[in-house]
This record gives sequence, structure tokens and C-alpha cells, in this order.
Amino acid sequence: NAGVTQTPKFQVLKTGQSMTLQCAQDMNHNSMYWYRQDPGMGLRLIYYSASEGTTDKGEVPNGYNVSRLNKREFSLRLESAAPSQTSVYFCASIRVGAESDTQYFGPGTRLTVL
Amino acid sequence: GQQLNQSPQSMFIQEGEDVSMNCTSSSIFNTWLWYKQEPGEGPVLLIALYKAGELTSNGRLTAQFGITRKDSFLNISASIPSDVGIYFCAGQSLFNFGNEKLTFGTGTRLTIIP
Repeated sequence: NAGVTQTPKFQVLKTGQSMTLQCAQDMNHNSMYWYRQDPGMGLRLIYYSASEGTTDKGEVPNGYNVSRLNKREFSLRLESAAPSQTSVYFCASIRVGAESDTQYFGPGTRLTVL
Repeated sequence: GQQLNQSPQSMFIQEGEDVSMNCTSSSIFNTWLWYKQEPGEGPVLLIALYKAGELTSNGRLTAQFGITRKDSFLNISASIPSDVGIYFCAGQSLFNFGNEKLTFGTGTRLTIIP
């Protein structure tokens, strides 16, 4: 049971380049999330997926697209990277409920856009 | 959107001291969560609170869900060096069935002075 895995761990892009951040969970959770973390800003929700085949915008969706390929995988794509997208990106798989005590985050992807 | 005010932003304490931090919200939440993040890692859940007024402990950590559902606090007793990290509160609002969404505070950075 690996929990939530993310690839890559580090990435440097030039302005205008595109890339996809991958996330997978093996806990059979329905809901998956992408956050970005910037100094002094906490974690801000980019997109989320309540179930396979559905995605919704979070707080800061501009410049990103997502794809919920199946129940396990939720990818985040930057079509044309900008310096403002330099951040640490976290994927999360969440099961919330009265009997649940576990919320899992991946280890993060550190992205720098030059 | 919803906002969480977390305070203090940072704390410098001596080993053995107690720690207290809190979060307040402009709107009510159904769930309050407290996470700890260490350098280079994703957030790890410490305590989850599901009912207004609930007081929950996890070892030296104690957290409470405010009666108004707009605030929560976290206490750490007898701090030790491994408590160093950034602590985040998060509130969950259930706005669609099965569509959980978390709003994070900006974090409290805890430093322990030897």
C-alpha cells in the first residue's frame, strides 16, 4: 500500500513549455485533489475530482487542466507554463467521514518555471 | 470564498513548553482538521474533529471544534524537538453530496529552541 504517489518530484520548465504532473492512489478513494503551496499562502485548491469521470474547479484553476483517468489516477496539466506557476504541487486522496481518520497527501512536486 | 485565519504565523519556544494555535473562519465548517508538514514532505493528518464542541486528543496533542463551528484550536503539551514543523488547520464544507472540499489556513511555523 503506497498511499498517494506523485511524479516527478522536481521539475524545471521554461516559460511556455507544457507538462503533466501525475498522481495515483491505491486506497480506493473516490475523491482526489490538486493543491499548490506557496510561502505564506497555505494550500490552495486548484481542481478536484469527486469521482471517476468528474472534475471541478477549485480556488485557483486558471492555467491548469486536469484529467481523472480512472479511480486511481488524477493528472494535472500545465499547457503553457508561466513563472507565476512556480510552486509546490500536492495531490491528495481524501476520505472524510465520521469513521474515517486518514487523509493522505502525496510527497509533492516542486516546479520552477523560468 | 471561505477564508481561514490561522495564528500565530510563527512560534519560537523552548523544549518542554506548551504550544497553542488557533484558526477562525468567516463561515461554518462541518469538519475541522489539523495537519503537520515537515520540510520536503506532504501534510500529515494529526487530528480530525467532526462535531461542534468536540475535544479530541492524540498523545500530547489536543484539538477542539468550536461551538460556533467557525473556529478550532490545537494545543501541544510539553513540546519536544520532533514537534518542529508547520501546522495547518483545514476546514471542510460539504456542499454537494460526496463532494468534500478543504480550505486550509496559512500555517503556524513552530521552532523549538534548545
